[in-house]
Order: sequence, then structure tokens, then C-alpha cells
Amino acid sequence: DTEVTQTPKHLVMGMTNKKSLKCEQHMGHRAMYWYKQKAKKPPELMFVYSYEKLSINESVPSRFSPECPNSSLLNLHLHALQPEDSALYLCASSLAGTGANVLTFGAGSRLTVL
Amino acid sequence: GNSVTQMEGPVTLSEEAFLTINCTYTATGYPSLFWYVQYPGEGLQLLLKATKADDKGSNKGFEATYRKETTSFHLEKGSVQVSDSAVYFCALTATPYNQGGKLIFGQGTELSVKP
Repeated sequence: DTEVTQTPKHLVMGMTNKKSLKCEQHMGHRAMYWYKQKAKKPPELMFVYSYEKLSINESVPSRFSPECPNSSLLNLHLHALQPEDSALYLCASSLAGTGANVLTFGAGSRLTVL
Repeated sequence: GNSVTQMEGPVTLSEEAFLTINCTYTATGYPSLFWYVQYPGEGLQLLLKATKADDKGSNKGFEATYRKETTSFHLEKGSVQVSDSAVYFCALTATPYNQGGKLIFGQGTELSVKP
């Protein structure tokens, strides 16, 4: 299995809702990532987990809350989002250890905040 | 700080034309360099990579050579196809970095290939 699977593919939520994005990989990767991508822009790093521990938080607002329950799963909990948070959210994974490791991306969850 | 600069798009070519997308970088240490491709409605896929100076990455007819003297990693393909239409991102990770690769992306170059 060489894939990163993200669910749901599309999500529409109001500003008072609580929802979660899910990501799963079975490649034995021990580093997992959340990226945010706006249209026609490069992905922006949000969080990195290494061996199930949060290792990087790129000053993301607390309305985004990551969780790594085990080495295969990564969640992003969403609460009280703003319309400007509408974007494509990409999950990725890699072997942990060095900067030369390739990231494998999922297809993304497209989030619309009304 | 570390950064990547790509040529601006969109780039429009006819099928079978030669493609060059310029990428230059600024980095401390010895970065690894990557080209990722994003097809419409999809996530990013690794196209090719190079981890040290003078390395040439290649895949699906695309090539890029890691040039330390010019801090460049230009993407080339001899004959593009309509199916190559996508957004191409040049990226680097700076080493040493022992907690996984933090990718720094260029702005992306949109390629449109017409039949």
C-alpha cells in the first residue's frame, strides 16, 4: 500500500460547527504532516508529527487541533472556523529521519466554511 | 533563510514542444531538491528529486540537474504531452533535519499543453 487516504474529500461547515479531517497511511511512515493550500498557491505547512509526537506547529490558530492517535492515523479537528479557512487540506507522510525523505501526499480534503 | 523561486506561469505550449521551468534556491547547508506535480483536483506527487550537487533526477521524460554553482534545479522535458498539463512545484528541504522533511515550496508554475 503506497497511498495516503484522506476523508472526507469535500466538507462544508458553518462557523459554529465542529468537524474532523482524517488521514491514514500504511507505509510504515513515522512522520505525518498537515498542509493548507489555497487556490493557485503552494501548500503551507501547518503541523508535523514525528513518531506520534507533535514536532512542528507553524503558529496555526487554536481553532485547528491536530491529533495523531497512532502511527497510521492523523486527524485535524476543526472548530469555530472562519470563511478564510476555506482551502484544500493536504495530509502527507514520510520516513522520519532526514530531509532527503520524500513526502507522499493524499488527494486532499476540500473545506468550505460558510 | 531558505527559499525557492520559480518562473511565473502560466506557461502554454503546443504538444511535442520543449519545456523548461526555471527554479533557483537559497539555502544554508546542503539541501535536497524536489519537483512535485499537482494535476487538477489532486494532491501533490513527487516527480523527481536530487540530493547532492550534480545529481540528475529523472522520471516520465522529465529531468532536472542539481547545480550548486548556480543554485538552480531547472525542470526540462523534450516533448510535452497534453497529459502533462498541471501545476509544477519546485521544493527543497534543508539538511541536517532529523525530524522529517520540512518542504519549502516555490510559488508553482502552471503548465497548459494544447493539442
